[in-house]
Amino acid sequence: EAQVTQNPRYLITVTGKKLTVTCSQNMNHEYMSWYRQDPGLGLRQIYYSMNVEVTDKGDVPEGYKVSRKEKRNFPLILESPSPNQTSLYFCASSWQGVENTQYFGPGTRLTVL
Amino acid sequence: GENVEQHPSTLSVQEGDSAVIKCTYSDSASNYFPWYKQELGKRPQLIIDIRSNVGEKKDQRIAVTLNKTAKHFSLHITETQPEDSAVYFCAATPTGGFKTIFGAGTRLFVKA
Repeated sequence: EAQVTQNPRYLITVTGKKLTVTCSQNMNHEYMSWYRQDPGLGLRQIYYSMNVEVTDKGDVPEGYKVSRKEKRNFPLILESPSPNQTSLYFCASSWQGVENTQYFGPGTRLTVL
Repeated sequence: GENVEQHPSTLSVQEGDSAVIKCTYSDSASNYFPWYKQELGKRPQLIIDIRSNVGEKKDQRIAVTLNKTAKHFSLHITETQPEDSAVYFCAATPTGGFKTIFGAGTRLFVKA
């Protein structure tokens, strides 16, 4: 089954404790992206990757890191999480760039205390 | 920076009525405009999209119109049904083609 998966789905952590949210797709998509969703703000793009080893900042990259060592995986790293990073996070992938259907993962609800 | 404004933030209609959601964008070079539907507790899913060389696109009860001169585009849902109740997001792709700017979303309620 073609899909985008994320883990964990729910996470409660404390300020400053490094964490990684994994994202994996099995559709051989070149493009992957991370978004955060906050009430009243819609979806805001954090980072995106056009292909393996090629990443770039979205609109809200501060406090986040990403890597794309393999085509199927695009982990999101919070090296020192802060309460303002409490949010719902979505990973998405598409065949090439954003001018194609983006397929979203199920989301990761992160709470930073 | 690039911006997409979406209105209204909440829309309530009676089953069978039409619903219209409007968006404006700031980057005149934007050329791809998708619409996503997000049901409660679920992930966003693409329902329709339009490219800048097309003025209107229709898929059954859903249609999207684009006015490039005015930099706005709209989603039209006819004969609404309770299962249309969800949050709808518009989006635009600014110059370059690798970023997506989303609107803040419209929560649509369809009353049976």
